Amino acid sequence: DTGVSQDPRHKITKRGQNVTFRCDPISEHNRLYWYRQTLGQGPEFLTYFQNEAQLEKSRLLSDRFSAERPKGSFSTLEIQHTEQGDSAMYLCASSPPPSGRNYNEQFFGPGTRLTVL
Amino acid sequence: GNSVTQMEGPVTLSEEAFLTINCTYTATGYPSLFWYVQYPGEGLQLLLKATKADDKGSNKGFEATYRKETTSFHLEKGSVQVSDSAVYFCALTSNAGKSTFGDGTTLTVKP
Repeated sequence: DTGVSQDPRHKITKRGQNVTFRCDPISEHNRLYWYRQTLGQGPEFLTYFQNEAQLEKSRLLSDRFSAERPKGSFSTLEIQHTEQGDSAMYLCASSPPPSGRNYNEQFFGPGTRLTVL
Repeated sequence: GNSVTQMEGPVTLSEEAFLTINCTYTATGYPSLFWYVQYPGEGLQLLLKATKADDKGSNKGFEATYRKETTSFHLEKGSVQVSDSAVYFCALTSNAGKSTFGDGTTLTVKP
């Protein structure tokens, strides 16, 4: 069990550029979540996958944001035409299936810190 | 919708002092409740959890009891250490699995 991994850990980009982040969940976990955390705030839910299906998207997820989990394993979060307000820590978490132990627990990755200049 | 309200910080204590960080929630159904800790430059780590009313979660000297009647999940520790300095987040997880977090409480413990 290597835990949830995220890549890159840090990303600095210029306003208007596109960025893509990757999350690799714990291998047997079928649920995957994306959150955004800004300074001084708690993480805010963005979107949720069960296997490859995207089951819920927050109103925070504007049209510039898109997330995929094509084979039900790793996931990507893309932000198009980045704005300075997108600067935040993007966190990924995964959970085991409901039949599994700790089914209601989320295991978080280290996050990707995005800075938009 | 679901929400979590945490005691505002920052909190500064001397080593070996008693710690309480208040957390109250509103939720539909029967959520699970969690405390996470975040050290500088690191991700969220689960500190403790409780899945039903009157459950007590405990870990590393920290405790919290799921109180359905007061919709609370206050974090306590009898004697804090400098190494406990971090940001603490209260969270609830609904049956759908997504989590709702409080805004965090920064704890600084001075020697």
